[in-house]
Amino acid sequence: DQQVKQNSPSLSVQEGRISILNCDYTNSMFDYFLWYKKYPAEGPTFLISISSIKDKNEDGRFTVFLNKSAKHLSLHIVPSQPGDSAVYFCAASDRGSQGNLIFGKGTKLSVKP
Amino acid sequence: EAGVTQFPSHSVIEKGQTVTLRCDPISGHDNLYWYRRVMGKEIKFLLHFVKESKQDESGMPNNRFLAERTGGTYSTLKVQPAELEDSGVYFCASSQLVAAPLHFGNGTRLTVT
Repeated sequence: DQQVKQNSPSLSVQEGRISILNCDYTNSMFDYFLWYKKYPAEGPTFLISISSIKDKNEDGRFTVFLNKSAKHLSLHIVPSQPGDSAVYFCAASDRGSQGNLIFGKGTKLSVKP
Repeated sequence: EAGVTQFPSHSVIEKGQTVTLRCDPISGHDNLYWYRRVMGKEIKFLLHFVKESKQDESGMPNNRFLAERTGGTYSTLKVQPAELEDSGVYFCASSQLVAAPLHFGNGTRLTVT
């Protein structure tokens, strides 16, 4: 049973507009959430994270929002750039336990010029 | 700083053969993880080393998989004998602290025919 779900396999956005990638989780013990970006033939690259004590974390064009009551997080990219085209993975962990990351299946973002 | 390196990048073997994957973590990273992505599905945890000790191997599929990290430096993951369902991309990752963002290698794409 998937504990981290990314229900949109793909997303297409125009350059300069906002990209919103969504992620839902089921395990209420998760207290740390991360987004990774992956280009073809490369490993995932860490993008941004958020602890469960926060509801927002911002880093340049990237902002992650966490809604604990809904068990939902989202990644906003604004403005989107063609170089942002990649697969984005949501991941979560329970740092009180082993701390291993549980990943979603990923969302392929295409940013069109 | 050199990133996580994995060797080989690709491996094609026949069912029943043995394959050994190698991972060199970032220097100074005590935590080393193996993950696997099968058929475009989610990236799944296999096991976690802290230095040379196995901290958590709950994700290992079965006893055909053997991971080692002698001396707490590089790690190997051996599959013996390989089965068709072992095909996928095997990622290694490392971190200085447990539950810190993981740094991933580019993966080894294993194809079992």
